[in-house]
Amino acid sequence: GENVEQHPSTLSVQEGDSAVIKCTYSDSASNYFPWYKQELGKGPQLIIDIRSNVGEKKDQRIAVTLNKTAKHFSLHITETQPEDSAVYFCAASLGSSASKIIFGSGTRLSIRP
Amino acid sequence: EAGVVQSPRYKIIEKKQPVAFWCNPISGHNTLYWYLQNLGQGPELLIRYENEEAVDDSQLPKDRFSAERLKGVDSTLKIQPAELGDSAVYLCASSLDGREQYFGPGTRLTVT
Repeated sequence: GENVEQHPSTLSVQEGDSAVIKCTYSDSASNYFPWYKQELGKGPQLIIDIRSNVGEKKDQRIAVTLNKTAKHFSLHITETQPEDSAVYFCAASLGSSASKIIFGSGTRLSIRP
Repeated sequence: EAGVVQSPRYKIIEKKQPVAFWCNPISGHNTLYWYLQNLGQGPELLIRYENEEAVDDSQLPKDRFSAERLKGVDSTLKIQPAELGDSAVYLCASSLDGREQYFGPGTRLTVT
């Protein structure tokens, strides 16, 4: 079946440095790619998403890039802060509809003071 | 605007007992999802509703799991009987017309 692979599973960066999380997907028809942040004891929170007609999207300190040819997409967090510590999940739509998405296995990001 | 509401937040039951989870989606959202999240993994879809209709329940273990969404608003997910392997977080999400999904806080189920 279709799947989404996410790397790394854990990531520790110094406060103020950048963090990058990478995902690959298998469904060539996927065209919607959301990213979620999940803090302990809470549900996943949508932080940014991108559609296949765009190669890059930025929102303040976070950005997402998409390479449809290679079926890769990445999350970039710049100037990391302690509150960025959480588990991050990438996801990709099955086909063109955002109503069916498959999640990656998550990346636990820790920000060192 | 209120987010997705779920209750209870935590539930501990003995195996073979029944359990039910409740979800109230964001006002106006016609699509409702139930996901299962095991420890250290991403959410996995159990069932998706468009209004009152279950349009995707292929991953729902129908021998013990059931769900309903009467009147196209609130939804209930039931497990009967629960097994040890059902211990997980059950997440509800909602969206408008199949767009971005917004998640509730989840119900953490422990089966002993």
